[in-house]
Amino acid sequence: GENVEQHPSTLSVQEGDSAVIKCTYSDSASNYFPWYKQELGKGPQLIIDIRSNVGEKKDQRIAVTLNKTAKHFSLHITETQPEDSAVYFCAASSIGDYKLSFGAGTTVTVRA
Amino acid sequence: DGGITQSPKYLFRKEGQNVTLSCEQNLNHDAMYWYRQDPGQGLRLIYYSQIVNDFQKGDIAEGYSVSREKKESFPLTVTSAQKNPTAFYLCASSIDLQQSGWGNQPQHFGDGTRLSIL
Repeated sequence: GENVEQHPSTLSVQEGDSAVIKCTYSDSASNYFPWYKQELGKGPQLIIDIRSNVGEKKDQRIAVTLNKTAKHFSLHITETQPEDSAVYFCAASSIGDYKLSFGAGTTVTVRA
Repeated sequence: DGGITQSPKYLFRKEGQNVTLSCEQNLNHDAMYWYRQDPGQGLRLIYYSQIVNDFQKGDIAEGYSVSREKKESFPLTVTSAQKNPTAFYLCASSIDLQQSGWGNQPQHFGDGTRLSIL
């Protein structure tokens, strides 16, 4: 089955700096890669996703890049703000597969 | 507002007891899911349902049961056979993959139920 590894497990950044979280996946058939943000006591919220026919996608301060050859994808948050502090999860799935395989999560802390 | 409602927010289970977690959605989604989240780990799939009266086991179905009698509802029962039930349980829903031509669809999550053992 699919195995998704996520690094780092914790990340502390100064407000205004950038944050980068990296994930690798094992199944070359994976073609859908969502990112979720989870605040304390809440459920994960989808913040951005990318499909394998696209190399990069941006939404305001958030961007995701995908390298299919190397089987890794990354989340980039620019101009970080205190409200970006949360746990971020990457995930992967194959076409037609209901199951999402999740990384273990990255706890991001933005220092004011 | 459309969304997913999970209840209760906190639940306590006694030894040998079955407990049922509620999940209701008004997003008109056909597919629904249950995940378990443990500290420091990603989400793991317990069960999923593509359509009413049908459901499939995920990676960690042992000790759990589900039903899908209505499109809007997908309750999860944690049975006494689940020896380590303490966790955060998350319900999600999505547009059915068949309806979307098998293109993967985003899953939308509720705010979870935290289950603890007395």
